Amino acid sequence: GAVVSQHPSWVICKSGTSVKIECRSLDFQATTMFWYRQFPKQSLMLMATSNEGSKATYEQGVEKDKFLINHASLTLSTLTVTSAHPEDSSFYICSASQRERSYEQYFGPGTRLTVT
Amino acid sequence: KQEVTQIPAALSVPEGENLVLNCSFTDSAIYNLQWFRQDPGKGLTSLLLIQSSQREQTSGRLNASLDKSSGRSTLYIAASQPGDSATYLCAVDQGGSEKLVFGKGTKLTVNP
Repeated sequence: GAVVSQHPSWVICKSGTSVKIECRSLDFQATTMFWYRQFPKQSLMLMATSNEGSKATYEQGVEKDKFLINHASLTLSTLTVTSAHPEDSSFYICSASQRERSYEQYFGPGTRLTVT
Repeated sequence: KQEVTQIPAALSVPEGENLVLNCSFTDSAIYNLQWFRQDPGKGLTSLLLIQSSQREQTSGRLNASLDKSSGRSTLYIAASQPGDSATYLCAVDQGGSEKLVFGKGTKLTVNP
């Protein structure tokens, strides 16, 4: 159990366009979902935390108007990168946690975004 | 601000060797500590989670210890195999926030 999926696994887009990434908890209802980004040879940096039905909480330095997060249900959160630029190219990983599972975070497989 | 450091940044060992990966954190007020494995271009696989009240956890050839007071954790891998080659990440959960703070990882290469 505790499987988290992401879609797409990779995406290439042109500069100025928007890209939506989905994160789903497949076999449990996630109390909270998290979005991270990872640059090459760097560790994961938390971007934002979201709870179902409420606004996401963004980490310092993360532009909330650029990285739109929608936590529509207990099994789905989406991250939309608006007006993407080459510097947004990164590996985006989501995770989900559940109160009944002692808040352990389960990670998705990641989405590789390349902005040309 | 919590900072997590992993040493060494990279490690190369021959197959069959036992090895230890180190993780240190600056703020001992943690809820738990997790060790993850990440293969190139992939997501994270949780290996072991140690609650703040625990001192160690074991899973197969892996053993993780936690010394909360000194801000240290170790991941011990016994009888290493080429399939263990990956980057190992340590992360701490700040008490009550669910936010994970990650180290930069140790890239492990096990040579056949």
